[in-house]
Amino acid sequence: QVQLKESGPGLVKPSETLSLTCVVSGASISSPHWWNWVRQPPGKGLEWIGEIYHSGTTHYNPSLKSRVTISVDKSKNHFSLNLNSVTAADTAVYYCAQLVFDLDYGMDVWGQGTTVTVSS
Amino acid sequence: EIVLTQSPGTLSLSPGERATLSCRASQSITRNYLAWYQQKPAQAPRLLVYAASSRATGIPDRFSGSGSGTDFTLTISRLEPEDFAVYYCQYYGRTPLTFGGGAKVEIK
Repeated sequence: QVQLKESGPGLVKPSETLSLTCVVSGASISSPHWWNWVRQPPGKGLEWIGEIYHSGTTHYNPSLKSRVTISVDKSKNHFSLNLNSVTAADTAVYYCAQLVFDLDYGMDVWGQGTTVTVSS
Repeated sequence: EIVLTQSPGTLSLSPGERATLSCRASQSITRNYLAWYQQKPAQAPRLLVYAASSRATGIPDRFSGSGSGTDFTLTISRLEPEDFAVYYCQYYGRTPLTFGGGAKVEIK
């Protein structure tokens, strides 16, 4: 059973870099699936940040692309999110997720989420 | 980028009633690459439906999805107390993945 768990600082100062890690257990990060980051500002909806494949191939939300880097560490079976030049608008619950969809198949696994507040 | 618009924003219903949630896409979605999620307070989303009408594993049959092209619907046939939550539609055909703004089903 795949489990995901996010970790990282809960408080980040404006203009600095938000860094989070998602540890994958119960499966290899080298499995043929995309690994995602999704965030949710307080009281608002879900926003897809981006995804990474174990090869290192990434796709990002165009609205965040200039500030986001997602990377994978196969030796540690985890993937990471870096978001630079943060502002208060980046305050959110950040989720890592495995979202698997095929023509006749759909499955999701989410981490519990981690709250990140951007404040001085 | 496909923009998803959900309506209504809030639905006030009683247990046992039928809930009908709408999701409209800004352009036609090929192969019905549309999913629905349920999210309860302080919890991660949970996949209910994928490919517009296929229930995910373990999802009760009171949840059903329908639609094609640009118009999709999630129906909850008889609301149970645990169904009062926020529901999101999601496009996953290609990146960027996008979510609708959400629809809250609240107890009347």
